Amino acid sequence: QMTQSPSTLSASVGDRVTITCRASQSISTWLAWYQQKPGKAAKLLIYEASSLESGVPSRFSGSGSGTDFTLTISSLQPDDFATYFCLQYNDYWTFGQGTKVEIK
Amino acid sequence: QITLKESGPTLVKPTQTLTLTCTFSGFSLSTSGVGVGWIRQPPGKALEWLAIIYWDDDKRQSPSLSSRLTITKATSKNQVVLTMTDMGPEDTATYYCTRLYGDSYFDYWGQGTLVTVSS
Repeated sequence: QMTQSPSTLSASVGDRVTITCRASQSISTWLAWYQQKPGKAAKLLIYEASSLESGVPSRFSGSGSGTDFTLTISSLQPDDFATYFCLQYNDYWTFGQGTKVEIK
Repeated sequence: QITLKESGPTLVKPTQTLTLTCTFSGFSLSTSGVGVGWIRQPPGKALEWLAIIYWDDDKRQSPSLSSRLTITKATSKNQVVLTMTDMGPEDTATYYCTRLYGDSYFDYWGQGTLVTVSS
């Protein structure tokens, strides 16, 4: 089970944004982060907890291992207002509930 | 360029069987290590993994839904088909087709198709 927080986040362009996922048991670094916009395909941002997918801007970063993980956007851009979710792939596949990043 | 697209009915009646087709391009399901999976998201709820089929026809299904799910592939057509029996209102969701990277994470997703279960 993955617990993601917060469920909603209000922020401004330029803000540093942090989203967390907590696993109910250790998943090593078998965690990915995605961005999703309405009506669009989800986009892979981070895999193996901290590896940046090719083509993803460097303002996105991931950290953590074991049970606690973080997605950080260092300086929020207008294109970043979206929903973000985590995925654990250590034991089958389980998703976090998602975090909607809204304009403040 | 890798793309996946889901197709199927938008409305099904309770107790009916749902059949969804994923048509993909940009990769082959005959390539070692490749898988295609189905994921769904009920309105206002978290994403839920349903099933995966691998290049070698190995299959994985969610234990909670395995008795209702069947996943098959038509490699030459670049298609994967998911069937779910005995549909109920709780199965109303957006259903997504995804590519599995090396038995790990999903690296490409379709846009999803909303299926509503209602009489």
